Amino acid sequence: DTEVTQTPKHLVMGMTNKKSLKCEQHMGHRAMYWYKQKAKKPPELMFVYSYEKLSINESVPSRFSPECPNSSLLNLHLHALQPEDSALYLCASSSDIGADTQYFGPGTRLTVL
Amino acid sequence: ILNVEQSPQSLHVQEGDSTNFTCSFPSSNFYALHWYRWETAKSPEALFVMTLNGDEKKKGRISATLNTKEGYSYLYIKGSQPEDSATYLCALMFSGGYNKLIFGAGTRLAVHP
Repeated sequence: DTEVTQTPKHLVMGMTNKKSLKCEQHMGHRAMYWYKQKAKKPPELMFVYSYEKLSINESVPSRFSPECPNSSLLNLHLHALQPEDSALYLCASSSDIGADTQYFGPGTRLTVL
Repeated sequence: ILNVEQSPQSLHVQEGDSTNFTCSFPSSNFYALHWYRWETAKSPEALFVMTLNGDEKKKGRISATLNTKEGYSYLYIKGSQPEDSATYLCALMFSGGYNKLIFGAGTRLAVHP
């Protein structure tokens, strides 16, 4: 099973809402990633977790808060977002950090009103 | 600034045509190159991971080459089929202890019956 699942597929939220994006993999991977993709732009790395610890934070604003409750799950908590945060949020996992193949989920399409 | 360029931005071909596109990158500090295939509304699918200069990889009708000295990789599709229609992304990882994929903007391929 090389599947990474993400929920929800679509999310519309107001600037005062609190919501969470979820990502799950059952491949035994120990590295998990959040990427953000704006239309017609490349995916950009936001966070990397390695062995359930935050390894990389690409200077992401604190209104995005990642969480890795166990080795299979990765959450992204959203609070007080701005309309410019509207984007496709992709989750990925790999067996370890490094040159290993990253397996991606289908993404959550987020719209902030 | 580490920049990954892909060309062309989009490509329209007829079924049965063979095609190729390019990924260019700074040749210094190269560590690994990844190719992904991304169909609309689906997860990006890993095609190849390439690390050595002169590497050639093949998967069915799709193949890729890597030249790390001059900083480019080619992706070839032989006898394109409509199901090959997708965005093809390349992503680079550079050495220096910073385990991060830097994506190009992709080449959007449309194969017409």
